[in-house]
Amino acid sequence: DIQMTQSPSSVSASVGDRVTITCRASRGVNNWLAWYQQKPGKAPKLLIYSVSRLQSGVPSRFSGSGSGTDFTLTISSLQPEDFATYYCQQANSFPITFGQGTRLEIK
Amino acid sequence: EVQQVESGGGLVQPGGSLRLSCSASGFTFSNFAMGWVRQAPGKGLEWVSSISGSGDRTYYADSVKGRFTISRDNSKNTLYLQMNSLRAEDTAVYYCAKDLCGASCYAWFDPWGLGILVTVSS
Repeated sequence: DIQMTQSPSSVSASVGDRVTITCRASRGVNNWLAWYQQKPGKAPKLLIYSVSRLQSGVPSRFSGSGSGTDFTLTISSLQPEDFATYYCQQANSFPITFGQGTRLEIK
Repeated sequence: EVQQVESGGGLVQPGGSLRLSCSASGFTFSNFAMGWVRQAPGKGLEWVSSISGSGDRTYYADSVKGRFTISRDNSKNTLYLQMNSLRAEDTAVYYCAKDLCGASCYAWFDPWGLGILVTVSS
């Protein structure tokens, strides 16, 4: 199985800050990497797929990058609605696996 | 609007069975693979199972293989998850999710249903 490890597990930031979350795969996942946002009590929402493709309706302040085993999600200027938990996910091979999540909190 | 609505959850005793349903609308159901993802209370996301658009190919997490069965009825736009031999560690919110990229892609989950709680306890 491909293990997905996110860092940090939690981060505190302020509105307007630039935040980067990283995701490392235990082996290469090619471009089969996505990022999801989940707010408390809600279903996850797809933000980015294929490493860097922004899902329709997602604000452009979200971006993804990386290759091979190392990937990043960047939020260029945090907005109040961005405080949530973020998960990376690989779809290179079964079983599909998620990172453990990164909780983004208000400083 | 593309959406899915799960049903069939609830409280079940260890060793019992439950069948979850997911009613989909707003898209041509048979053109997309579908999946189930669960989330134990206070925990992260765990992929459970996926099925092709036609229903002829299925995939399972090791943690549920041999106990859970995914299926679909394309005439009813409905996805199912038959869960047998349930254990306490199966307690979770179960989400039904549409695959973004097609009938045999198994990659990106979008959108997700609201989720349904399954509690396994005596």
